[in-house]
Formats: sequence, C-alpha cells, structure tokens
Amino acid sequence: EPEVTQTPSHQVTQMGQEVILRCVPISNHLYFYWYRQILGQKVEFLVSFYNNEISEKSEIFDDQFSVERPDGSNFTLKIRSTKLEDSAMYFCASSQTSGGANPYQETQYFGPGTRLLVL
Amino acid sequence: AQSVAQPEDQVNVAEGNPLTVKCTYSVSGNPYLFWYVQYPNRGLQFLLKYITGDNLVKGSYGFEAEFNKSQTSFHLKKPSALVSDSALYVCAVRVGGYQKVTFGIGTKLQVIP
Repeated sequence: EPEVTQTPSHQVTQMGQEVILRCVPISNHLYFYWYRQILGQKVEFLVSFYNNEISEKSEIFDDQFSVERPDGSNFTLKIRSTKLEDSAMYFCASSQTSGGANPYQETQYFGPGTRLLVL
Repeated sequence: AQSVAQPEDQVNVAEGNPLTVKCTYSVSGNPYLFWYVQYPNRGLQFLLKYITGDNLVKGSYGFEAEFNKSQTSFHLKKPSALVSDSALYVCAVRVGGYQKVTFGIGTKLQVIP
C-alpha cells in the first residue's frame, strides 16, 4: 500500500539555523500539506499546497516558513531561522483531491513525522 | 472558526467489551468528519470518515462512527475491543470547500486484558 514518507525522522538543530524537512507524498496525489504537533498538544494545520502554489495557510505559517516541490516527487518545508518554539513533530500529508468534485477522494494520508528539536 | 472537542483524556475498557470514544465539533458549513489513530512516534492513520449519506460510517479494523447533526457529534465505536486497539484516537473536521483539517487533542484508549 502506498504511503507518505518523511526524512529525517529526527533532527536536532541550533536556534537560528535553517532546517529543511522532506516528504515524499503518495505518487498520484496532487494536494500536499504540512502539520505540526507540539508535545502534548493537538495537531495543527500549517499549509496546503497545490499546483506549485500555497492554497491555504494558517497564522502559524509566517515568513519564517516556506514550502516547495522541487521535483516531481519531493515536498519540502523550510524553516529559515529556527526558534525554540519550533520544536515539534512535523507531519506531511497528501491527498488525491481537496474535496471539490469528489470529496470521497480527499482523505489526507499522513507520513510518520519528523521530530524537530531546536536547542 | 472550526473546532473539535474530545471530552475524555482517556477511556479504559475491558477486552471484548464495546467501546465509545466521544467527539463533538463546531463548524460553519457542512462538516467532513474523520477519525485517525496515532501510535507512539508514528503518524496519523486514517480510520474512517463521514462526508454525506448514511449517518453510520464503517471503517478499518471493525470501527464505526455515528454522525449526529443535531448533537454535532461523531462518536467512534467498536462492538468488541481488542488489546491491540490501545492507542490515541484523534477526531478531526474539515469544512467543505476548504483544505484545513482541525484536529482534536485525542483520547487515549486503553483496552485491558
């Protein structure tokens, strides 16, 4: 069964450093998402991406964050200058559609996550 | 704004007994409702969803959920719990036309042998 994969599984970085989290979505999916989960808190939406542009983003997704689909398979989340409060588990997800014409195809499938620790 | 409430931090049930994990939601618009299960250090695994139609939705591993519009609830159920069902169960909602999914805090299900 196809699945979303994420690398690395764990990343430790110093405050102020840039990090790039990588995801390989399910191959026939067209919509891509990033979520984060701070320890002990709920999963929070960051951004959705379709057709090489951001389609929705939350208030968390400020100028320090960016997303990119650099090739036909990868989807990345970059944090330019990490802060202590960026420490969290970051989940990538993908879906075939976003609901629209066929909401039954819009289930978001999640990767295993990258645990980011900012020191 | 959309929100999800899972009123129980933990639910304990004996193996073989029926289980219910509660979820209520608040949205402006038509809700699309989901249940995910999360194991330690792993991502969210999709269990089932309600989009439209029959209020009783059947999903993976024998789980089902009942959509109740008047009570704005989407409780997860299983007729007979297994020890292997022990995990964190997370309810989520999306509004039609939007992509953002809002998650609940999760309910830890402990099935006791």
